[in-house]
Amino acid sequence: EAQVTQNPRYLITVTGKKLTVTCSQNMNHEYMSWYRQDPGLGLRQIYYSMNVEVTDKGDVPEGYKVSRKEKRNFPLILESPSPNQTSLYFCASSLFVWAHEQYFGPGTRLTVT
Amino acid sequence: AQSVAQPEDQVNVAEGNPLTVKCTYSVSGNPYLFWYVQYPNRGLQFLLKYITGDNLVKGSYGFEAEFNKSQTSFPLKKPSALVSDSALYFCAVRDRETSYDKVIFGPGTSLSVIP
Repeated sequence: EAQVTQNPRYLITVTGKKLTVTCSQNMNHEYMSWYRQDPGLGLRQIYYSMNVEVTDKGDVPEGYKVSRKEKRNFPLILESPSPNQTSLYFCASSLFVWAHEQYFGPGTRLTVT
Repeated sequence: AQSVAQPEDQVNVAEGNPLTVKCTYSVSGNPYLFWYVQYPNRGLQFLLKYITGDNLVKGSYGFEAEFNKSQTSFPLKKPSALVSDSALYFCAVRDRETSYDKVIFGPGTSLSVIP
């Protein structure tokens, strides 16, 4: 089944404790992206990747890191999480960046206390 | 800069009635436009897109949208609403010339279809 998977689905952590949210797609997609969803703000892009070893900042990159060592994986790293990073996070992928729709993972609900 | 507006936070419609979810956009160049739906506790699902050609595009679950370049709008429509259409709907835009690598999402519109 074609899908985007994220782990964990739910995470509660404390300020400053490094964490990684994994994202994997099995569709051989070139483009991958991370979003955060907050009430009233919709989805805001954190980072995206056009291909392996190519990443770039979205609109809200502060406090996040990403890497794209393999085509299928695109982990999101919070090196020192803060309470303002409490949010619902989505990973997405698309065949190419151009006119193609994105496929979204199920989401990761992160709470930072 | 790109932007997307969905002027209604909430839309209520009776089952069987037509529904419209509004979307207006701002881009420097020509747009790619998308609609996505989010059901509770789920990720977003693609509904339809406008790339080029016919301004009226049809998508999943009986939804359609009409690209209007002069009004910079892309409203989502369905002739007869179902209770199962109740969800959060997002409009998104990608500027095909100036920032094709970024997608901007609107804030979302919550649709409630009342039995």
